[in-house]
Amino acid sequence: EFVLTQSPATLSLSPGERATLSCRASQSVSNYLAWYQQKPGQAPRLLIYDTSNRATGIPPRFSGSGSGTDFTLTISTLEPEDFAVYYCQQRNNWRDTFGQGTKLEIK
Amino acid sequence: QVQLVQSGAEVKNPGASVKVSCKASGYTFINNDINWVRQATGQGLEWMGWMNSNTGNTGYAQNFQGRVTFTRNTSISTAYMELSSLRSEDTAVYYCARGRGGGQYYYYMDVWGKGTTVTVSS
Repeated sequence: EFVLTQSPATLSLSPGERATLSCRASQSVSNYLAWYQQKPGQAPRLLIYDTSNRATGIPPRFSGSGSGTDFTLTISTLEPEDFAVYYCQQRNNWRDTFGQGTKLEIK
Repeated sequence: QVQLVQSGAEVKNPGASVKVSCKASGYTFINNDINWVRQATGQGLEWMGWMNSNTGNTGYAQNFQGRVTFTRNTSISTAYMELSSLRSEDTAVYYCARGRGGGQYYYYMDVWGKGTTVTVSS
């Protein structure tokens, strides 16, 4: 079974700090990974696709990197509106999988 | 602007079926897949499957095989998700999302509906 494992489950930081979120795949299937942000009561929003491309309207403080089984979402300088839950997603053989999410909370 | 507008909240009895609609606008409907993703309260995102809006071909997650059906009406740019034999564990918000990319490995979802709450309760 293909699994995406995100870490940490919860990340407590202050505005202005740097956030590093991890997504690890149970096997290497491609170098294509997407990241989504979800705020309470809202639908997910695409942040990053193709591992490192920012979606339309996403500010440059968000960046993605990685390959194989290890991928990272970095938020260079946290703004108050960045505190939310983040999910990674990858397709394997026509089936999509989401990670379990990382909650980024205000310290 | 590109948007997906979903139908309203539903309350169903256990054992019943529910059909949720997702109306696309702002782009050519048949050019993109529609995916369905659900989220139980306080839980993560669970992918249910995809539908090719042009051909009607579908791919379902194993957890939902035999219980979920995706259809579409291209004349009104609308996709549908029907889930049968409902149980309490199916209580969740159901999202439709536009798919981008294609093939076995290259895929992401760039536009999402606001979600439809389905409550299963006797």
